[in-house]
Amino acid sequence: DIQMTQSPSSLSASVGDRVTITCRASQSIRSYLNWYQQKPGRAPKVLIYGASNLLGGVPSRFSGSGYGTDFTFTISSLQTEDFATYFCQQSYIGPPTFGRGTKLEI
Amino acid sequence: EVYLVESGGGLVQPGGSLRLSCAASGFTFRREWMSWVRQAPGRGLEWVADIEDNGRQKYYVDSVKGRFTISRDNAKNSLFLQMNSLRAEDTAVYYCARDSHYDRTGKGYYFDFGGQGTVVTVSS
Repeated sequence: DIQMTQSPSSLSASVGDRVTITCRASQSIRSYLNWYQQKPGRAPKVLIYGASNLLGGVPSRFSGSGYGTDFTFTISSLQTEDFATYFCQQSYIGPPTFGRGTKLEI
Repeated sequence: EVYLVESGGGLVQPGGSLRLSCAASGFTFRREWMSWVRQAPGRGLEWVADIEDNGRQKYYVDSVKGRFTISRDNAKNSLFLQMNSLRAEDTAVYYCARDSHYDRTGKGYYFDFGGQGTVVTVSS
């Protein structure tokens, strides 16, 4: 199975900051990488699919990039509602697998 | 918009069984692959199983093979997960999700989680 290594596991930031989360796959997954946001007690919600495609309705401060094994997720200017946990997930090979998550805290 | 309502969770002893259900609405259920994804307390997400739109193909994560069975009833827009021989490590919130395909390769998809999940606790 493909292992997804996400870092950092937690991150402290302030409103207005630019933050970046990275996700590394154990082998190439081309661009088949999705990013999710999860708030406490809620189901995850997809923000970005196919490494860089923003889902309709998702604010443009969210972005993703990467190909192969290395991917990044960026929030250009943090808003209060962005404090949550973020997960990456690959769909390219075998069982779909997730990163362990990055908890974004104030 | 995808609406998914999971039910059937609860407290069960090790070795016991549970059947989870998921009622779907807001999309054409019979045309979509569906999955179960779980999240253990304080842990990350783990895909458990998925099923083809017509119910023929089914896939499972290794840790549940032979114990869990995914099924669906397209006439009732419902997805199920029969869980037998439950273990403590199966304790989690279980979500059903639509596999939303965005390309024709079959590899390009993401999970649409439309519900709150149902809690399964395996403990004596």
